[in-house]
Amino acid sequence: AQSVTQLDSHVSVSEGTPVLLRCNYSSSYSPSLFWYVQHPNKGLQLLLKYTSAATLVKGINGFEAEFKKSETSFHLTKPSAHMSDAAEYFCVVSDGNTDKLIFGTGTRLQVFP
Amino acid sequence: DAGVIQSPRHEVTEMGQEVTLRCKPISGHNSLFWYRQTMMRGLELLIYFNNNVPIDDSGMPEDRFSAKMPNASFSTLKIQPSEPRDSAVYFCASRFGLSSYNSPLHFGNGTRLTVT
Repeated sequence: AQSVTQLDSHVSVSEGTPVLLRCNYSSSYSPSLFWYVQHPNKGLQLLLKYTSAATLVKGINGFEAEFKKSETSFHLTKPSAHMSDAAEYFCVVSDGNTDKLIFGTGTRLQVFP
Repeated sequence: DAGVIQSPRHEVTEMGQEVTLRCKPISGHNSLFWYRQTMMRGLELLIYFNNNVPIDDSGMPEDRFSAKMPNASFSTLKIQPSEPRDSAVYFCASRFGLSSYNSPLHFGNGTRLTVT
């Protein structure tokens, strides 16, 4: 069965410093992986997706993620945090049999001035 | 593109009352999903439709929950009777096709339901 584990429930950074949100996945075959962002009182928005074309995936707002099969990881990074990045971030894997999306528990990113 | 439109944004009701949540998917999208988000359980898929037909309702918690999609541009999620434990944010999402490989999910802003 597919699953994702987000290793941190909360991450706090200062504005202008790098962001690292960690995600490990479990899959019996090559997965489709996604990162979604949820701002307060909003729905989820797709940041980026990995579908085996390239291991380094660039998304919106300067975010990127690297698929590492040997580590079963798909960590989300950004070189320099902005105040507007404060939100909840979800790592998501697609179930290959049903194509249902399986969401992680989320990481809340706080950005301090 | 108006996005996925959900109504109402907030709903407060008393236990035992019927609640109806509404969703208008993005035009041209033929798959529609209902999710529930709570602090305790995170995001749960309740049901999804393809071409207006329910494909998988295994996530619907009880018979008190029902969902319909009478046409390609409208869906409802009904709870009757409502209970305090139904309090959550309910999201509707849509995409073109069934496969997440080529088409990402687009979410509405959700309906925050409070049952007292």
